Amino acid sequence: AQSVAQPEDQVNVAEGNPLTVKCTYSVSGNPYLFWYVQYPNRGLQFLLKYITGDNLVKGSYGFEAEFNKSQTSFHLKKPSALVSDSALYFCAVRAFMNTGFQKLVFGTGTRLLVSP
Amino acid sequence: NAGVTQTPKFQVLKTGQSMTLQCAQDMNHEYMSWYRQDPGMGLRLIHYSVGAGITDQGEVPNGYNVSRSTTEDFPLRLLSAAPSQTSVYFCASSYSRAGGTIIETQYFGPGTRLLVL
Repeated sequence: AQSVAQPEDQVNVAEGNPLTVKCTYSVSGNPYLFWYVQYPNRGLQFLLKYITGDNLVKGSYGFEAEFNKSQTSFHLKKPSALVSDSALYFCAVRAFMNTGFQKLVFGTGTRLLVSP
Repeated sequence: NAGVTQTPKFQVLKTGQSMTLQCAQDMNHEYMSWYRQDPGMGLRLIHYSVGAGITDQGEVPNGYNVSRSTTEDFPLRLLSAAPSQTSVYFCASSYSRAGGTIIETQYFGPGTRLLVL
């Protein structure tokens, strides 16, 4: 089964420091990967996606993600964290269902806390 | 564009009551889906639709019903609410290709927080 794992429930970082939120994937075939962010009492917002091509993907709000096929990872990064980046972050992978249709499979989420 | 809208934002039900969660999108997306979000479990797919008149079950469909009479609307019905259905419900839509077998980026509504007593 296709899945993603987010090994850290919470990541703490000081404002101005670089941040990394980890995600590893397990898929058959080429992965189609996403990162979403959820602010308190809000829906999920799309940050970025990887389809093919350049392993470094740039997204919204200064975030980027690095696709590493050998390590089956898709870590989310930002060079300098802001307090306003504090939120819940979800990694997701596109997967096929038995019906032949597709769906997104989400990780359990990582809470990012940026301290002033 | 309003994107994906959901109503109500918050609802309290008693066990056994029924209700409908509304979802609408104005992006002309064929693919729509309902998820529930529970602590430590991420988002789980309840039902999805690849176009008007076409719906199917996701991972956790029991106790829920859907229909898709138009491209814009995809309501989720709780037939007889149970405390286990206390959750936050998200509707999402996306552009799709090849009759829904290939989906693109999903866009989410703001969610409905449901409490079943």
